[in-house]
Amino acid sequence: DGGITQSPKYLFRKEGQNVTLSCEQNLNHDAMYWYRQDPGQGLRLIYYSQIVNDFQKGDIAEGYSVSREKKESFPLTVTSAQKNPTAFYLCASSPLDRGNIQYFGAGTRLSVL
Amino acid sequence: AQSVTQLGSHVSVSEGALVLLRCNYSSSVPPYLFWYVQYPNQGLQLLLKYTSAATLVKGINGFEAEFKKSETSFHLTKPSAHMSDAAEYFCAVSDPYGQNFVFGPGTRLSVLP
Repeated sequence: DGGITQSPKYLFRKEGQNVTLSCEQNLNHDAMYWYRQDPGQGLRLIYYSQIVNDFQKGDIAEGYSVSREKKESFPLTVTSAQKNPTAFYLCASSPLDRGNIQYFGAGTRLSVL
Repeated sequence: AQSVTQLGSHVSVSEGALVLLRCNYSSSVPPYLFWYVQYPNQGLQLLLKYTSAATLVKGINGFEAEFKKSETSFHLTKPSAHMSDAAEYFCAVSDPYGQNFVFGPGTRLSVLP
């Protein structure tokens, strides 16, 4: 089935630890996105990428890093510099044509131990 | 630049009653508008989209929305609420090229028996 797969579904981070959230898509979409969702705050854009080996900061990129070595994959690393990482993280992808729609994965819930 | 406001962070309706979720947008170019639904601990699912064709857009699960340029609105409606409609709903706007995709803060819909 075509879609976006995020793993793991639940993730726990210890103090000072970097953790990586996986996002894979088989929709052949050019663009991929990472959002952070906190209760009552909607979705905030962390990073996005429109082409392999290129990505742009979103509104809240501090404490996060990404890579885009393959079209299908856009992993997000939550670094130790992110002091408040507890949130629900959503990955999305979209084609880069007129009127494109963003398609979402099921999300990863990150908590701090 | 685009922006979205959603009036009411929480809306409650009785089962069988009309659902009306409000969305107003701001855009410097002709907008593309979207409604997404999110069930607990899941990703976002597209309900419907407006991309400059018919102003009344029909989506899945009996929802529809009307684009009103004069009011800069794109309110979501459903004639008769069902218990399964309880979820969080997000309005989003982008420019015609899928750039500057911005989500509203969301409205949580509760359906009372």
